[in-house]
Amino acid sequence: DGGITQSPKYLFRKEGQNVTLSCEQNLNHDAMYWYRQDPGQGLRLIYYSQIVNDFQKGDIAEGYSVSREKKESFPLTVTSAQKNPTAFYLCASSGLASPGSPLHFGNGTRLTVT
Amino acid sequence: AQTVTQSQPEMSVQEAETVTLSCTYDTSESDYYLFWYKQPPSRQMILVIRQEAYKQQNATENRFSVNFQKAAKSFSLKISDSQLGDAAMYFCAYRSSSNTGKLIFGQGTTLQVKP
Repeated sequence: DGGITQSPKYLFRKEGQNVTLSCEQNLNHDAMYWYRQDPGQGLRLIYYSQIVNDFQKGDIAEGYSVSREKKESFPLTVTSAQKNPTAFYLCASSGLASPGSPLHFGNGTRLTVT
Repeated sequence: AQTVTQSQPEMSVQEAETVTLSCTYDTSESDYYLFWYKQPPSRQMILVIRQEAYKQQNATENRFSVNFQKAAKSFSLKISDSQLGDAAMYFCAYRSSSNTGKLIFGQGTTLQVKP
């Protein structure tokens, strides 16, 4: 079955360490996105990419980095510069980079930094 | 900048009854798309319904329908014959037709369904 796979489901890191969250899709979608979800704040866009080797900052890109070397993959690195990294992270994709196309989401990664 | 507001942090409904979740948005654009997503306890985001701003007819999907008021910038979700499986957090979202990357979400409404 086609879908989006995020791994791992739970991730624990010590403060000051960089950590990379994986996101893979086999839906042949052009566009991919990373969102952060905090209680009471909905989902906020971190980065998005509409084509391989190109990506744009979202609303809260500071302290994060991404790459898009393959169409299927869009990993997110949470760097030590991110001041409050503990959150739930959702990866999504959509086809044709069309505004009417719905986003398909992965199951998320819960990151805890202590 | 566009914003989406859901003013009801929590709602409850009796099983088999009808409930309406509110959403308002702010934009200066005339062409855009609106969505409702459901997030059950599993935290999987599921598309419930989609509305195109240039279509006057309200979208419907089985027990789910919207009341789209473009002039008032209002996009409410009505759930009819509520079921226990409808219990979830519901997010309203906006997407401009001019910026295909950015889906802007509201804060969410947690819906409780009472048996």
